[in-house]
Amino acid sequence: DTEVTQTPKHLVMGMTNKKSLKCEQHMGHRAMYWYKQKAKKPPELMFVYSYEKLSINESVPSRFSPECPNSSLLNLHLHALQPEDSALYLCASSQEPSGSIRETQYFGPGTRLLVL
Amino acid sequence: AQTVTQSQPEMSVQEAETVTLSCTYDTSESDYYLFWYKQPPSRQMILVIRQEAYKQQNATENRFSVNFQKAAKSFSLKISDSQLGDAAMYFCAYRTGANSKLTFGKGITLSVRP
Repeated sequence: DTEVTQTPKHLVMGMTNKKSLKCEQHMGHRAMYWYKQKAKKPPELMFVYSYEKLSINESVPSRFSPECPNSSLLNLHLHALQPEDSALYLCASSQEPSGSIRETQYFGPGTRLLVL
Repeated sequence: AQTVTQSQPEMSVQEAETVTLSCTYDTSESDYYLFWYKQPPSRQMILVIRQEAYKQQNATENRFSVNFQKAAKSFSLKISDSQLGDAAMYFCAYRTGANSKLTFGKGITLSVRP
């Protein structure tokens, strides 16, 4: 079973709103990731959590705030976003800790975000 | 710098035919993994196949197989007996233990003609 779930599927928010994206996996994976993907482009890494600790932040603006409450759950809190932040936000997880050569990432279905 | 190149933005294949998607990469590392991911229009990124650089045998998964040429730094994906459900964007990706980032190519859009 390689299921990663994400909610909501779609989200529309204004530039002054605060919202959160949620990602869950129940596979016992020890690393979780947030990616941003624009249409017809490859995913861009935003954050990596390994053993519930933030291990990589790809210089993402502070209006994006990740949180890993436990080993199965990953949140992305959004505040004061800009229209250019509209994109598909993908969550992924991997069994091996981030940095392991054997790491294979499994992706969720994504949240389509539109910022007005 | 690690780079992954998918030079063809689009390809088309007739249903039941075979198609090969090309991918080249650049690295100075000796140990690494290569991946092909598929992203259908429904958008979920699905792992198709992976290859460890140390393994000489080409990976296969049902109708999907790779042609891994380590010296040439080439990692092409062959899809046999193409089906309508194979229509998607395909991303080649690469990672090493020295860098936990997945490096993706730009992707190729595959269409399947009935």
